[in-house]
Amino acid sequence: DIVMTQTPLSLSVTPGQPASISCKSSQSLLHSDGKTYLYWYLQKPGQPPQLLIYEVSNRFSGVPDRFSGSGSGTDFTLKISRVEAEDVGVYYCMQSIQLPWTFGQGTKVEIK
Amino acid sequence: EVQLVESGGGLVQPGGSLRLSCAASGFTFSSYWMHWVRQAPGKGLVWVSRINSDGSSTSYADSVKGRFTISRDNAKNTLYLQMNSLRAEDTAVYYCARGRWLQSWGQGTLVTVSS
Repeated sequence: DIVMTQTPLSLSVTPGQPASISCKSSQSLLHSDGKTYLYWYLQKPGQPPQLLIYEVSNRFSGVPDRFSGSGSGTDFTLKISRVEAEDVGVYYCMQSIQLPWTFGQGTKVEIK
Repeated sequence: EVQLVESGGGLVQPGGSLRLSCAASGFTFSSYWMHWVRQAPGKGLVWVSRINSDGSSTSYADSVKGRFTISRDNAKNTLYLQMNSLRAEDTAVYYCARGRWLQSWGQGTLVTVSS
């Protein structure tokens, strides 16, 4: 199975400040079709996960532009340019290049 | 508006069975792959199973292979997960999710396996 490793596991951020989460995969997520199958989700307290970013860097519909994704191969980053109170929750990366699809452990983001 | 509503969870004894359902609306259900993802209390997300749009292809996590069966009824816009030989470690909230990006999720249904 592909192991997804997120760092840090928790993050306390002052509103208006940036935040960054790293996700490393044990194998390359670049497919022969040219796409990289890396996704980011946010699970707000008491809610199901919601898709933020698909295929490394594409914001899903309705996701604010303060969220951005980058990376390639095995190293990926989710950045929040200016954290807002509504951004609290647990962020997960996920790979879907190989079965079973696997998630990172999650990064809990809280507001200072 | 896309809606996914899970049902069928509950308390079951080890070795027992449950059938989860996920009622879909607001999109063309028969066009999408569908998934089950679970989350044990206080833990992270774990992909469980997927089924292609017409139900002809399925995949499972090793931890549930041979015990769980995913299926769908496109006429009823409903996804299912038949869970047999349940174990304590299957205790979790089970979410259904839509598409190859898991772009929509239901609210989940809690399955508790305990004597």
